[in-house]
Amino acid sequence: ETGVTQSPTHLIKTRGQQVTLRCSSQSGHNTVSWYQQALGQGPQFIFQYYREEENGRGNFPPRFSGLQFPNYSSELNVNALELDDSALYLCASSLDGLSGNTIYFGEGSWLTVV
Amino acid sequence: AQSVTQLDSHVSVSEGTPVLLRCNYSSSYSPSLFWYVQHPNKGLQLLLKYTSAATLVKGINGFEAEFKKSETSFHLTKPSAHMSDAAEYFCVGTKYIFGTGTRLKVLA
Repeated sequence: ETGVTQSPTHLIKTRGQQVTLRCSSQSGHNTVSWYQQALGQGPQFIFQYYREEENGRGNFPPRFSGLQFPNYSSELNVNALELDDSALYLCASSLDGLSGNTIYFGEGSWLTVV
Repeated sequence: AQSVTQLDSHVSVSEGTPVLLRCNYSSSYSPSLFWYVQHPNKGLQLLLKYTSAATLVKGINGFEAEFKKSETSFHLTKPSAHMSDAAEYFCVGTKYIFGTGTRLKVLA
């Protein structure tokens, strides 16, 4: 148990729709990172939030956006869903946005786009 | 920019034999390196991390990894494989860049 919780665990959306995924970070952690893991591949870094500000972004289009709240929980929003967005979305929390600090992962949200 | 390369996509070992999962990194500065394990339909679990304090890093479940600057490697080893070690293993570098993963199969 890492203390990182994600919701929902599974969902199905239609192409063109929008989705919001939620993450509660481990107690005391002020940094949240989001990853996309397509079937059979490694996680790809989407972005990181540190104290409510975006603190780094991977190679994902602007229709992937996020928020971090004052309690350090976070949302990932994806607009105009495409079939290739079908994946496991992982949230990870850590302390202080430093790349040497350990990140702790939730169990992910499985998104299927049909 | 840093990257990590996992040299084997699949590794098969017999139960009780040693495990070696290979990872090379590229970085112009002292990197942070991690190994994570992912069991089927489970989240990612940290095995161990290197942050320049010691070159030989011991992790959970009997795994360890040695940072070799001269070889730019951070290979993961375990003396004796157990059936429960069968999983996907990821080497992760600075800025949380993941390698492509190595699937470990343990044969009875």
